[in-house]
Parts: sequence; C-alpha cells; structure tokens
Amino acid sequence: AQKITQTQPGMFVQEKEAVTLDCTYDTSDPSYGLFWYKQPSSGEMIFLIYQGSYDQQNATEGRYSLNFQKARKSANLVISASQLGDSAMYFCAMRGAFESGSEKLVFGKGTKLTVNP
Amino acid sequence: DTGVSQDPRHKITKRGQNVTFRCDPISEHNRLYWYRQTLGQGPEFLTYFQNEAQLEKSRLLSDRFSAERPKGSFSTLEIQRTEQGDSAMYLCASSPSPGQGASYYEQYFGPGTRLTVT
Repeated sequence: AQKITQTQPGMFVQEKEAVTLDCTYDTSDPSYGLFWYKQPSSGEMIFLIYQGSYDQQNATEGRYSLNFQKARKSANLVISASQLGDSAMYFCAMRGAFESGSEKLVFGKGTKLTVNP
Repeated sequence: DTGVSQDPRHKITKRGQNVTFRCDPISEHNRLYWYRQTLGQGPEFLTYFQNEAQLEKSRLLSDRFSAERPKGSFSTLEIQRTEQGDSAMYLCASSPSPGQGASYYEQYFGPGTRLTVT
C-alpha cells in the first residue's frame, strides 16, 4: 500500500520569498509517480508538477520545482518568489506501480500555505 | 477549452434519501475517476473507468455507492440511503490515455459536488 505524509498542517511565507512544502512517501512498488496539486478555496484541484520515480532530473514547472530524494523517500515542493495567489492548500500525491495498471492517486492530508504581503 | 464539469455543485439531502451526481470529463479523455474529500483531508480514491469499463474500485465504495459510465463519456455516481458520514466533496477527474498527446500522468479535476446530509 502507498502512503503519503505531509507533516506541515500550515506554512507562512512572505511575498516574493521561497518556501518548501514537505512530503514523504512510502511504497514497495518498484516504479511510481509523485504529484503536487494546489487547491484554492474554490475547491478545484489544480495540477502543479509531476516526478517519475525513474526520472534522473528533478522536475521543474515555472516557479515550482520538486526536490526528489529517492533514498529518503521525499518529494518536497519548492515554490520560488511566492505570490499572494499562491495561498491555498497543497497536496502531495502518488500513483502506484505503472505495471499494475492501478490508476488511483493516493493523497496526503495537505499543507495550508499562506502568503503574507 | 472546456474542463471537467460536475453537476450539481451543491446538494443538501436528508438522511435516507438517494442522490445522484454527474460528471462530464474533458472531451476525448477516456479515463475518468471519482474521489471523495472530507473536511481537513486529502481526496480519497473511489473508482476509475476506462471508457465504459469500471476497472478499479476502492473498498470505500460500499454497496450503497454505484458509479456508471454507460457510453464512455459522462459518468454518474449514485449514493443510496445516504448517511451523515457521506457528507463530503465528491470530485471527478479525467485524463487522456497514452498517445493522445497531452500529459498521460496528469488527472484533471472538476470543481466538485459538495454533499451535505442532514
């Protein structure tokens, strides 16, 4: 079974500064995918970034980067130059072994990020 | 560009009543997923369709829950004899299959249906 742990219920950051949101995972699958989603107060889940377990490079998407440390089973999200619009819930998720055909995402409990002006 | 849509956005029902939610995925996405999200938690997987075939179901999907995708396009999620514990946000997502160009790994979520059982 897969498990995602997000230990930071809430984080605060000043506008224009960088912030790291922690995510650790547990799985026995040989291959897997890791995702980060943003959920504003409106409720819709917005995909931010993806990292495959066999990807050699850390994923980056604009101001978002994923600090993937396979040996530590961590997949932290780094947001650079925070903006007020970044205030939201952030969820780390994983997908199990691709070979198994399982399509489900397993989510953590989330971290509420507040960006202060 | 039309994203995933869900109807209704909000539903209030009395305990014991049946409710049905609808999800329209992004056009030509052959994969469709249902999740449930309770307050303070991340979404939990319920079920997954590839075209009209229901390929994966969570143990969370009790006998009172049923999902269909009859023509491989829209999907419905029905809850029979609702209980207060069913109060949650029900999220639908879709994704394309490999070879359709867009990111295979991303699930695109709709706005959700918030169910309140009184």
